[in-house]
Amino acid sequence: GEDVEQSLFLSVREGDSSVINCTYTDSSSTYLYWYKQEPGAGLQLLTYIFSNMDMKQDQRLTVLLNKKDKHLSLRIADTQTGDSAIYFCAVDYNQGGKLIFGQGTELSVKP
Amino acid sequence: DVKVTQSSRYLVKRTGEKVFLECVQDMDHENMFWYRQDPGLGLRLIYFSYDVKMKEKGDIPEGYSVSREKKERFSLILESASTNQTSMYLCASVQINQPQHFGDGTRLSIL
Repeated sequence: GEDVEQSLFLSVREGDSSVINCTYTDSSSTYLYWYKQEPGAGLQLLTYIFSNMDMKQDQRLTVLLNKKDKHLSLRIADTQTGDSAIYFCAVDYNQGGKLIFGQGTELSVKP
Repeated sequence: DVKVTQSSRYLVKRTGEKVFLECVQDMDHENMFWYRQDPGLGLRLIYFSYDVKMKEKGDIPEGYSVSREKKERFSLILESASTNQTSMYLCASVQINQPQHFGDGTRLSIL
């Protein structure tokens, strides 16, 4: 069945780049999403990529998709303390909007 | 902008009570979802609905039911609350091939 995996924690220093990784098992994905969750809040859509793309850049965010390895990554350039949050990878398998989520990666940014 | 509103941010109930969590969206979306979020487990799908009066079980439906009497409103019901249902509950709505939009979540404690 479909499965999405992320590492649980990442710690970086302010100003460094952060790379959050995600792997998935089923290659029939359509869209792949990154959501951000700040403490006590719901999920906020950060960015997404269609499965026929390899890369998407949006200001400080770069999404890379390696379909062969079923690997998705989110790079945050010049990471700030305000980027501290949980980041979720989610995969759409064209099942009526139903998404499969990873466990979430908690990003901690140290000054 | 899509608005998904969950009726309560925090809720405290007692074991055995019947609990209602309400979710309303304002974008005429067909599809709505209820998730629970627990540390290290990510988001797990409880129930979803593709239309009024229609519901489908997700991955962990036991102990829950749902109601969709109107398109904009999707309610999650805990028939007889138990302590293992203490969790963060997130509602989402979506139009096909678009990202899911989330409410701010309800943190439910069952004592």
